[in-house]
Amino acid sequence: AQKVTQAQTEISVVEKEDVTLDCVYETRDTTYYLFWYKQPPSGELVFLIRRNSFDEQNEISGRYSWNFQKSTSSFNFTITASQVVDSAVYFCALIPQEGGKLIFGQGTELSVKP
Amino acid sequence: ETGVTQSPTHLIKTRGQQVTLRCSSQSGHNTVSWYQQALGQGPQFIFQYYREEENGRGNFPPRFSGLQFPNYSSELNVNALELDDSALYLCASSLAGTSSGEQYFGPGTRLTVT
Repeated sequence: AQKVTQAQTEISVVEKEDVTLDCVYETRDTTYYLFWYKQPPSGELVFLIRRNSFDEQNEISGRYSWNFQKSTSSFNFTITASQVVDSAVYFCALIPQEGGKLIFGQGTELSVKP
Repeated sequence: ETGVTQSPTHLIKTRGQQVTLRCSSQSGHNTVSWYQQALGQGPQFIFQYYREEENGRGNFPPRFSGLQFPNYSSELNVNALELDDSALYLCASSLAGTSSGEQYFGPGTRLTVT
């Protein structure tokens, strides 16, 4: 079965704190693709990052960083020095080997307070 | 470059009625996917269209149907509406040949069934 689990339903931090959003996935495929999307209150899903299963190199993009570990089936997302504008629901998602459909987790609602 | 657009923004229908939602894909994209997002949940894959044909379907009944047009725009039709069909309907476009590639989402249509 293909599944994505985001155990943290809600996280609340104060501005400038670092915050990590957890994502654990399940798949028996050897080839798969992992994604993070951001959904602000407006509702539109905004693409943040894509990783394939053969690329475990971690990535940093500005205040965002991602930690992909196949050994633990995790793809965690860290925001450094959080800002109020980071407040949104964040979704981790998986595209299995067959392609096409995104399988989303339940989402983590991040609230950054000034 | 034009992003993904959806219409209408909001819609209220009565149980038993039929509804048509519309989506225009991002410039250069020829694949469209539809997702249903219930309140507080992650999006669920409905189906995908490529070259005007259905190219994968999620666990949704046949009363959910779709079309893709030669200009790659798409429609989602739902017949015999039920109260549980109330949700945000998201359309996403992507490039064919990259079934594992990024999907870019529109702002969604909020459907309320009373």
